[in-house]
This record gives sequence, structure tokens and C-alpha cells, in this order.
Amino acid sequence: EPEVTQTPSHQVTQMGQEVILRCVPISNHLYFYWYRQILGQKVEFLVSFYNNEISEKSEIFDDQFSVERPDGSNFTLKIRSTKLEDSAMYFCASSVLSGRRGYTFGSGTRLTVV
Amino acid sequence: SQQGEEDPQALSIQEGENATMNCSYKTSINNLQWYRQNSGRGLVHLILIRSNEREKHSGRLRVTLDTSKKSSSLLITASRAADTASYFCATDAGGNEKLTFGTGTRLTIIP
Repeated sequence: EPEVTQTPSHQVTQMGQEVILRCVPISNHLYFYWYRQILGQKVEFLVSFYNNEISEKSEIFDDQFSVERPDGSNFTLKIRSTKLEDSAMYFCASSVLSGRRGYTFGSGTRLTVV
Repeated sequence: SQQGEEDPQALSIQEGENATMNCSYKTSINNLQWYRQNSGRGLVHLILIRSNEREKHSGRLRVTLDTSKKSSSLLITASRAADTASYFCATDAGGNEKLTFGTGTRLTIIP
């Protein structure tokens, strides 16, 4: 069964450093998303991406965050200057149609900011 | 309560029994979805129910939706040890792409 692949599975970074989280969505999917889950808390929407541009973003997704689909297969989330509170599990997801019909999630990248 | 709150927060049952989890939400929705998350893993989409549907089945899963009460339930029949996981409801509303997730129910199936 097709999968959404995320790398790395775990990343530790120093506060203030830039991190790039990588995702390979399912090849025929058109909609791409990033969500995050702070330990013990709800899964929160960050951003949706369609037709090579952001279609929706949450208030969490401030100027420190950016997304890119650089080569038609990867979908990346960049955090420019990490803060301690960015420590969370970050999930990438993709869907053929609008995600309102159901996503396929990756297994996540656990980001630890120290 | 917040948009998408499940109860109970934790549920332990014997293998073979049925498990019922509930989800409540505050605003009108287009769709409600249920996801499963095994410890430390990603979210697996289980089932989607539209706001004009009242009940949906998929294998051992049965989902109901009561829009008048703004609530949904997920029933897992004949539970198995492999059903041990956290279960989340998620809603979308209006023209928004984003899903709003609940707090989750941690289900433990005792062999």
C-alpha cells in the first residue's frame, strides 16, 4: 500500500538553529499538509499546500515556518530559528482530493529543540 | 467543551468485547473522520462520515453522527489486541481544508 514517507524520524537541534523536515507524499496525490502534535496534546493543523502554493495556514504557521515542494516529489517544512516550544511530532499528510475526504499521514518526525 | 473532544480519555476492555468512544464538537461541520494512532506512529484514517449521514460501517467499525447533538460515536466490535491505540475524531467545517482534531481516547485491549 502506498505510504507517505517522512525523514528523519527523530531530529535534535539547538535552539535558534534552522531545521528542514522532509516528506515524500504519495505520487498521485495533489494536496499536501503539515500537522504537529506537542507531546500529550492535540494534533494541530499547520498548513495546506495545493498547486504549488499555500492554500491555508494556521496562526501557528508564522514567518518562522515555510513549506516547499522543490522537485515535484519532496515536500518540506522549514523552521528558520527553532524555539523550545517547537518541540513536537510533525506529521506530513497527502490526499488525492481535498483532505476533507481523508488523508494519508506519514509516521512523523519527532523534533526536539534543546 | 472544545471542538473535537473525545470521551472517555482512556478505556480498557477485555479482548472480544465491544469498545465505544464518543466525540463532541461545537460548530457545524462538513465531515467527521476517525483516525487511529499507534504509540509513536502516524495517524491512520479509519472512516469518514458526512454531515448528512447518520451511520456508517466499515468492517468491525461502526460510526454514528448526531448533528443535533454535535456528537459522534465510534464502535469497534469484537475487539482484538491489535486494536490497542489512541483514537481521534477530526472535523472540517466551512470551506476550510484543515482538520480540527480532538483530544483522543486511549484504548487498551486486555488479552
